[in-house]
Amino acid sequence: QVQLVQSGAEVKKPGASVKVSCKASGYTFTSYDINWVRQATGQGLEWMGWMNPNSGNTGYAQKFQGRVTMTRNTSISTAYMELSSLRSEDTAVYYCARALRNFDYWGQGTLVTVSS
Amino acid sequence: QSALTQPASVSGSPGQSITISCTGTSSDVGSYNLVSWYQQHPGKAPKLMIYEGSKRPSGVSNRFSGSKSGNTASLTISGLQAEDEADYYCCSYAGSSTYYVFGTGTKVTVL
Repeated sequence: QVQLVQSGAEVKKPGASVKVSCKASGYTFTSYDINWVRQATGQGLEWMGWMNPNSGNTGYAQKFQGRVTMTRNTSISTAYMELSSLRSEDTAVYYCARALRNFDYWGQGTLVTVSS
Repeated sequence: QSALTQPASVSGSPGQSITISCTGTSSDVGSYNLVSWYQQHPGKAPKLMIYEGSKRPSGVSNRFSGSKSGNTASLTISGLQAEDEADYYCCSYAGSSTYYVFGTGTKVTVL
């Protein structure tokens, strides 16, 4: 069965960076894009960007341009999302999702807390 | 890119039907037949309920249906059940520079 398993919760100081991983299993990793979506506590879903695991091509929401980097390691079927220059407003649950024009499988989410 | 507009809350009694609207623009909802809907229970990851406007993934109840007219997409839940109480989000593809935009979210309450 398709599974996306994300890394554990992180606590970071303002200005630091965080890297969240998303390990895929149950399907061919390079056949579907991986997208990242975040959700602040009590707030809605916010799309951050996509990555094609086959080519490594990426596309980011304008809001995160220059601060986010999405990469992958195909040998271990794992995608990564790194967000830099963290501020308190980046405190949220970060989800990875498999995508082919819709997000059909999601990871369990990773809570990133930014606090001094 | 602004979020798609959804009502903050919708409620209904068990067995009733409710409809959630999702209003975008001619640059997203109106231009592509790529609206999807997600159900999210508290503390859980979102779950795909409808894709490409009106298609249901395997395993999703046929009580859920989707449609679109112009710049507005809609999700209808018929025969409302207690387990349908959750937050619902629409999402639309918005072209090759903006990519995707989510709706503001709707809390569904079963009375």
